[in-house]
Amino acid sequence: AQSVSQHNHHVILSEAASLELGCNYSYGGTVNLFWYVQYPGQHLQLLLKYFSGDPLVKGIKGFEAEFIKSKFSFNLRKPSVQWSDTAEYFCAVGASSGDKLTFGTGTRLAVRP
Amino acid sequence: ETGVTQSPTHLIKTRGQQVTLRCSSQSGHNTVSWYQQALGQGPQFIFQYYREEENGRGNFPPRFSGLQFPNYSSELNVNALELDDSALYLCASSLPVLDYNEQFFGPGTRLTVL
Repeated sequence: AQSVSQHNHHVILSEAASLELGCNYSYGGTVNLFWYVQYPGQHLQLLLKYFSGDPLVKGIKGFEAEFIKSKFSFNLRKPSVQWSDTAEYFCAVGASSGDKLTFGTGTRLAVRP
Repeated sequence: ETGVTQSPTHLIKTRGQQVTLRCSSQSGHNTVSWYQQALGQGPQFIFQYYREEENGRGNFPPRFSGLQFPNYSSELNVNALELDDSALYLCASSLPVLDYNEQFFGPGTRLTVL
């Protein structure tokens, strides 16, 4: 069975600080990896995804993530956060052969202006 | 291009009642997945419908059931509601092409069971 672990439940940063959110997954086969974001009052939106190829993936709004297969990790990074990045961030894994997504419990990020 | 829409936005029911939630998939998408997001948790997979057939189910009891219609819209039905069913119910649509399984989420229906 797939599982996803997000170690940071709440993160508070000041604007311009760097961000790294951890994500580890457990799955025996080839996986597709995702980061979704949920801004206050809005629906889940895809930030970035990894299917294959370059393990460093760039997404929208300056976010990037690195897939490290040996560590079963897919950490999300942003060099300089903005107040508008305040949101909840979810890491998710999907088997390459199907659509079911397994989500982590989420990390709530608050950015102070 | 119309995104995923869900109705109603909010719903209040009492324990033991039945509820039906609706989802319209994004234009051209033939697969709909339903997720339950309890407060403070990540979404949990309930089931998926592909071309009107159930195509995978998570760890949810049979009182959670669904339908998909020829236009690929979908319903989630929950019978004998329990207090723990209070959650945000999310619908996501996709168009599986080879290994590409990006899902597009709707705004959700917030269900409160009293």
